[in-house]
Amino acid sequence: GAVVSQHPSRVICKSGTSVKIECRSLDFQATTMFWYRQFPKKSLMLMATSNEGSKATYEQGVEKDKFLINHASLTLSTLTVTSAHPEDSSFYICSAGNYNNEQFFGPGTRLTVL
Amino acid sequence: GQNIDQPTEMTATEGAIVQINCTYQTSGFNGLFWYQQHAGEAPTFLSYNVLDGLEEKGRFSSFLSRSKGYSYLLLKELQMKDSASYLCAVRDSNYQLIWGAGTKLIIKP
Repeated sequence: GAVVSQHPSRVICKSGTSVKIECRSLDFQATTMFWYRQFPKKSLMLMATSNEGSKATYEQGVEKDKFLINHASLTLSTLTVTSAHPEDSSFYICSAGNYNNEQFFGPGTRLTVL
Repeated sequence: GQNIDQPTEMTATEGAIVQINCTYQTSGFNGLFWYQQHAGEAPTFLSYNVLDGLEEKGRFSSFLSRSKGYSYLLLKELQMKDSASYLCAVRDSNYQLIWGAGTKLIIKP
């Protein structure tokens, strides 16, 4: 089956630093990648959608300068949380969509900002 | 290895009841999630089970048996808008989410 990986799985950083999270589709080409944030009450909030080689489309209320998304290839997308603050602490999940519009989710990255 | 199994597709009739099963084998267990996803939209959270038993929320209920590695989502009084994919996901001991491939539910009038 389709496998999506995320790295790192867990990161703890100091306030003000930047953190990069990688999302890879391991055995298929992802035409589209999605980044979500999972809140304590378990809901998933879509942050942005990115297509390979083009700029990401951010959802309303998501700061594009704070959450930088790069979709450099058909198998890799990165989310960089710039100047992270404690309120950015969360669980970030990516998903990758294939040519059949099927979506496969990654295991998530737990970010803790001190 | 870790895996989540759920049926690929199910069909049910409007007004009826349907049960979507999910079995899992993971390294540890820190809760099981059910999400609903309509085509082209982000998943919507439905339920979270961490203890054994049945959680009822309106027309939707979710059951968990940790000893059996088993959960189900029960949908009652089906409506056409319930046609969607239903995703089962388990959080393991490393706090990683293991996702099922989703069950596509088709509701017929």
